[in-house]
Amino acid sequence: QKEVEQDPGPLSVPEGAIVSLNCTYSNSAFQYFMWYRQYSRKGPELLMYTYSSGNKEDGRFTAQVDKSSKYISLFIRDSQPSDSATYLCAMSRSGGYQKVTFGIGTKLQVIP
Amino acid sequence: EAGVTQFPSHSVIEKGQTVTLRCDPISGHDNLYWYRRVMGKEIKFLLHFVKESKQDESGMPNNRFLAERTGGTYSTLKVQPAELEDSGVYFCASSQRDRVGYNEQFFGPGTRLTVL
Repeated sequence: QKEVEQDPGPLSVPEGAIVSLNCTYSNSAFQYFMWYRQYSRKGPELLMYTYSSGNKEDGRFTAQVDKSSKYISLFIRDSQPSDSATYLCAMSRSGGYQKVTFGIGTKLQVIP
Repeated sequence: EAGVTQFPSHSVIEKGQTVTLRCDPISGHDNLYWYRRVMGKEIKFLLHFVKESKQDESGMPNNRFLAERTGGTYSTLKVQPAELEDSGVYFCASSQRDRVGYNEQFFGPGTRLTVL
């Protein structure tokens, strides 16, 4: 069983739509939960992180973590064509120097 | 400030040959990580340096892989001899010395390795 499960998509939405991306995980030791965005031929870029359970908002992006269900989500409001990328959920046991465990990534396309 | 750089961006080699990948972390970052993404799979952790010391090499697939970070600056990852299953994208990431709270890892663009 994979430690982190993520639907690879692809997911295609019209511009302005609300996008919902999510991951499940099996390791209860994970404490930090991250969302990375990766454009083609580029490295992953951190969008936001959340510590333990709860919500975090940054502009059009909202991350949610439910540790009781081992389920994390990323919502993108008013999606733009520039949001078209692969979104990777990722987790680690600590925030310090610690290996990151990634989901496979969901490929998102926002149609103008 | 320059980001994490990796060289080469793409390498095509024959099975059995040797390849060396290089990573230059962000200046001043003590932590350096190597990850790999095989086609159709997740990005997987390979190993972690703190300065020149290997902190965690639990993700290294076998002894054909050798990572070094002499002087605690840039790092190299050598694959010798390369096998077909070593094909993939190799990412390097770096982060500052340990701090309280979250310590972001900054990723390079990756080296795409193709073994024929």
